[in-house]
Amino acid sequence: SQQGEEDPQALSIQEGENATMNCSYKTSINNLQWYRQNSGRGLVHLILIRSNEREKHSGRLRVTLDTSKKSSSLLITASRAADTASYFCATDAGTGANNLFFGTGTRLTVIP
Amino acid sequence: GAGVSQTPSNKVTEKGKYVELRCDPISGHTALYWYRQSLGQGPEFLIYFQGTGAADDSGLPNDRFFAVRPEGSVSTLKIQRTERGDSAVYLCASSLTQVSGELFFGEGSRLTVL
Repeated sequence: SQQGEEDPQALSIQEGENATMNCSYKTSINNLQWYRQNSGRGLVHLILIRSNEREKHSGRLRVTLDTSKKSSSLLITASRAADTASYFCATDAGTGANNLFFGTGTRLTVIP
Repeated sequence: GAGVSQTPSNKVTEKGKYVELRCDPISGHTALYWYRQSLGQGPEFLIYFQGTGAADDSGLPNDRFFAVRPEGSVSTLKIQRTERGDSAVYLCASSLTQVSGELFFGEGSRLTVL
């Protein structure tokens, strides 16, 4: 079963705009990760945030984590057409092991 | 360097047949994971290995599904008596350790059961 849910399910923006995706999860966690998947391809890791962190940056990506609300957000700034993909959050469900449980994904379309 | 390799990339089979899907992880990665992804959904955890042993197989849907990793490297996911509902993309991933880190995914094996 899915651990989390992303919101919105689909997002369409113009190139240069910012894109924000949200993730809610159900159990306690040790860390939360975000992955990207181009259509028909495997998943690619973007960023990992630990449960004792509140915010993390990597290039144009900014991730926040609120463990009290069991939620996370992924912000992509200055979006590009190449950012078009599905984005998934994943958690370890508090096990500390690496068998991750993924959300349902947000399909992002960036219009050139 | 080589990434996670999965074969075949596409498999079409008939209901009731037996199927094997292979995963070759990144060299040196001790942990290996199998996921199943249906259209429009996120990956669903099936099983993961630490070395040769299955550390958690709680995601396998029923006893028609089985996976092995006899030498702690290559893994095979085996599906017996396939059903149309087994149609999905089967993703394999590996990681350096089994503790809280990045997973490296293969491109997946698309299984279609007619």
